Amino acid sequence: AQSVSQHNHHVILSEAASLELGCNYSYGGTVNLFWYVQYPGQHLQLLLKYFSGDPLVKGIKGFEAEFIKSKFSFNLRKPSVQWSDTAEYFCAFRGSWGKLQFGAGTQVVVTP
Amino acid sequence: EPEVTQTPSHQVTQMGQEVILRCVPISNHLYFYWYRQILGQKVEFLVSFYNNEISEKSEIFDDQFSVERPDGSNFTLKIRSTKLEDSAMYFCASSPGGGSNEKLFFGSGTQLSVL
Repeated sequence: AQSVSQHNHHVILSEAASLELGCNYSYGGTVNLFWYVQYPGQHLQLLLKYFSGDPLVKGIKGFEAEFIKSKFSFNLRKPSVQWSDTAEYFCAFRGSWGKLQFGAGTQVVVTP
Repeated sequence: EPEVTQTPSHQVTQMGQEVILRCVPISNHLYFYWYRQILGQKVEFLVSFYNNEISEKSEIFDDQFSVERPDGSNFTLKIRSTKLEDSAMYFCASSPGGGSNEKLFFGSGTQLSVL
C-alpha cells in the first residue's frame, strides 16, 4: 500500500536553530515527492518538490530536502530557522499515477 | 502568482442539510481536486476531476458527495445530506496538467462545521 509518514507531530525550537523534519514513504515505483507548508490562517503552499535528477532539492525560503531512495526518505531541512517559519509542514507524494497523498503534518513552532 | 479561490471561508450547517462549497481554479488549469482535513488529522484526498468527469475518487467520496463544473470557471463540491463527521476544512486545488510531478495549487479552504 502507498503511504507517507512524518516522524514528528510537534517540533519547538528557537530562532537560528537548525530544523530537520523526517518523511518516509512506502511505494515500490517511481515517486514524486513534495513538501507543502501551511502558515497560520493561510492555504497550503509548495515549498519544494523532487521528481528526478539531483536528490538534493532546494526550495523557497531557504528550505532544502534530500531524497534518499535506499531509505525511502525525503527529509526537509533548514540550517537556521526564523520566527516566520512557524507553520505546519506536510510531506506528500505521488506515485507514477494517481492522487497526491499527504503525511499527517508536523507543527513547527519557532520561539524568539 | 495566480490563486485558487474558495467561498465561503466558513460554513455552518445543520446535520442533514445540503451544502455546496465553491471554488474558482486557476484559469488555464485543467485538473481539479478536492481534499479535506479533519481537525488534528492528515489532509485526505477526496476526488479529482478532468475533462468534465471524475478521474479518481477515494472511499470517502460516497454517494453523498458530488462535484460539478457548472460553467467555465467554478468547480463545486456538494454534500447532499451532511453528517457530523463531515466537519472539516475542505481544500480545492488545481493543476495545469495531470502528471505526477505537477504542482498542485491550493485554495485557502472552507471550514465546514456540521451541528
